[in-house]
Amino acid sequence: DAGVTQSPTHLIKTRGQQVTLRCSPKSGHDTVSWYQQALGQGPQFIFQYYEEEERQRGNFPDRFSGHQFPNYSSELNVNALLLGDSALYLCASSFHRLAGVNEQFFGPGTRLTVL
Amino acid sequence: EDQVTQSPEALRLQEGESSSLNCSYTVSGLRGLFWYRQDPGKGPEFLFTLYSAGEEKEKERLKATLTKKESFLHITAPKPEDSATYLCAVQEGANTGNQFYFGTGTSLTVIP
Repeated sequence: DAGVTQSPTHLIKTRGQQVTLRCSPKSGHDTVSWYQQALGQGPQFIFQYYEEEERQRGNFPDRFSGHQFPNYSSELNVNALLLGDSALYLCASSFHRLAGVNEQFFGPGTRLTVL
Repeated sequence: EDQVTQSPEALRLQEGESSSLNCSYTVSGLRGLFWYRQDPGKGPEFLFTLYSAGEEKEKERLKATLTKKESFLHITAPKPEDSATYLCAVQEGANTGNQFYFGTGTSLTVIP
């Protein structure tokens, strides 16, 4: 049973460029959440996708956008990259429940470096 | 206002020296509290989910407990391979969706 997968593993971009990160959820999961983790910090919630719609968003600017596909995979797009966008980007998948707990399982992450 | 606070930030233990990590939280209506292990440059690895005060979960040398305001991760007779950053996260009540709030983690180093 494949877990959460992310691509690419590493990425180097320059300021002002745009980047797309990809995530495939764990088998049986239908919800994808994206997090940004700066060095030495805990993951910060960017947004969550369920049924191909953005359901919840953290405190991130509109430069951060996403998409979810019918097969539940997801993309994170970041436009007009800034040096401060350098971080480990984590994808987490879960099974949607209206009530109760939604355990999230994380992928290995994509390390983005902005020069 | 920080919703999840972990302490200490860093902890160095001798192999076999037991200790505890703390996670305190200030959320209204806890749906779940989660512990993760994270190795450098990798994604967090799920360890435990705790749902209500008084609950305990165990896995090998790790034991997680939960009260109304905090959780402890007890490490018994740690080994060098337990060295990692341990993250705590909480999920709030239904009205606030499914967002996880993470602490900044405790970096554990176990010395042989």
